[in-house]
Amino acid sequence: QVQLQGSGPGLVKPSGTLSLTCAVSGDSISSSDWWSWIRQSPGKGLEWIAEIHHSGRTNYNASLKSRATISVDKSSNQFSLKLNSVTAADTAVYYCARLKYSYDANGPSRALDVWGQGTMVTVSS
Amino acid sequence: EIVLTQSPGTLSLSPGERATLSCRASQSVDSNFLAWYQQKPGQAPRLLIYGGSRRATGIPDRFSGSGSETDFTLTVSRLEPEDFAVYYCQQHNRSPFTFGPGTTVDI
Repeated sequence: QVQLQGSGPGLVKPSGTLSLTCAVSGDSISSSDWWSWIRQSPGKGLEWIAEIHHSGRTNYNASLKSRATISVDKSSNQFSLKLNSVTAADTAVYYCARLKYSYDANGPSRALDVWGQGTMVTVSS
Repeated sequence: EIVLTQSPGTLSLSPGERATLSCRASQSVDSNFLAWYQQKPGQAPRLLIYGGSRRATGIPDRFSGSGSETDFTLTVSRLEPEDFAVYYCQQHNRSPFTFGPGTTVDI
């Protein structure tokens, strides 16, 4: 079955860059699906960060767009997130997830159907 | 930005009881792009309902979703012990794709 495995440093210094990678198994990153990053912090709940299609098309949360970069590596079947100029407010559990596009008799749909286990990232000196 | 408000914040029920969770949107949401997730402590969210009312793979039929435009409902017909968790609604209709703050279903 499809599995997502996120990885990256658990501690990042303030003003530094947070870098996370999500390895996809059981599905091709070049499929019709999109690939997403979501984070969860006690203060802000679940927050969608960005998503990418293998074609390179991206969507970003405007509140983070100037700091976030999402990319895809088709040769490694993985995708990544970089978030620069981090502060303590960026401390959160970061999840990667697959955004499944579906179309059936009821019409189109989009939902995050497979999630990685989550990577806790703390921003602290 | 579409703001999703969930109520109640906490629902205290017993196994076997019916749970009704509400998700209200600040603007109309195409129900095809409204989903519900379940999250247990230390775990990632799990997709329960997509397209407003379609059950995800492997989700038991005691879970059902309904609603349209700005009012959506997740119903658990008979709570099982494993259903006590936090439930989130999420819209993927208009960017930024937002989540509600969650409803905790506890005993």
